Amino acid sequence: ELKVEQNPLFLSMQEGKNYTIYCNYSTTSDRLYWYRQDPGKSLESLFVLLSNGAVKQEGRLMASLDTKARLSTLHITAAVHDLSATYFCAVDILGTYKYIFGTGTRLKVLA
Amino acid sequence: GAVVSQHPSWVICKSGTSVKIECRSLDFQATTMFWYRQFPKQSLMLMATSNEGSKATYEQGVEKDKFLINHASLTLSTLTVTSAHPEDSSFYICSAEPGGRVGTYEQYFGPGTRLTVT
Repeated sequence: ELKVEQNPLFLSMQEGKNYTIYCNYSTTSDRLYWYRQDPGKSLESLFVLLSNGAVKQEGRLMASLDTKARLSTLHITAAVHDLSATYFCAVDILGTYKYIFGTGTRLKVLA
Repeated sequence: GAVVSQHPSWVICKSGTSVKIECRSLDFQATTMFWYRQFPKQSLMLMATSNEGSKATYEQGVEKDKFLINHASLTLSTLTVTSAHPEDSSFYICSAEPGGRVGTYEQYFGPGTRLTVT
């Protein structure tokens, strides 16, 4: 069974702190995507990771992909309240165009 | 670029009625469109893959007679929830994948449609 697991599922952190969200997947894939979802809204694309070793950064967020370990990380640096949202990773199943979404991580940044 | 719209954004219907949701790619042609549903505080679950001019491919456990998908053109896919029941209440999100692009295979997501069945 194809699984994409994220941890933690819930994360409450203080402003200014750093933290990492992990995305583990069970299928072979070399494409992984990170999204942000605000309550009642659809998905906002954050990062597209297309190869082993890919690292991308935007503002306080940095994402990386290790296809051999089947692991992606989303690192948050010096969190601010505006980063409060649910974050999903999605794995592109090799040979198809289908995504399998991770379980999601609900992040709350406390002022 | 790569904008996907959905209509309506929210809909309330009575049990037993049918509801149609439209998904349009506004500035690109989409070879493939996808339909997801999301229950509160849960992840997105892929329901079906829709290809222009052919029958949709449904994921295991999704009733194809209940969730009718039509991909009539390269910019439009529709999802019809037939004989809706309260348990069909959910957030339905479509996405579109631009055909012909090399490398990214990225899907572009619509804003979602919130369906409430009373």
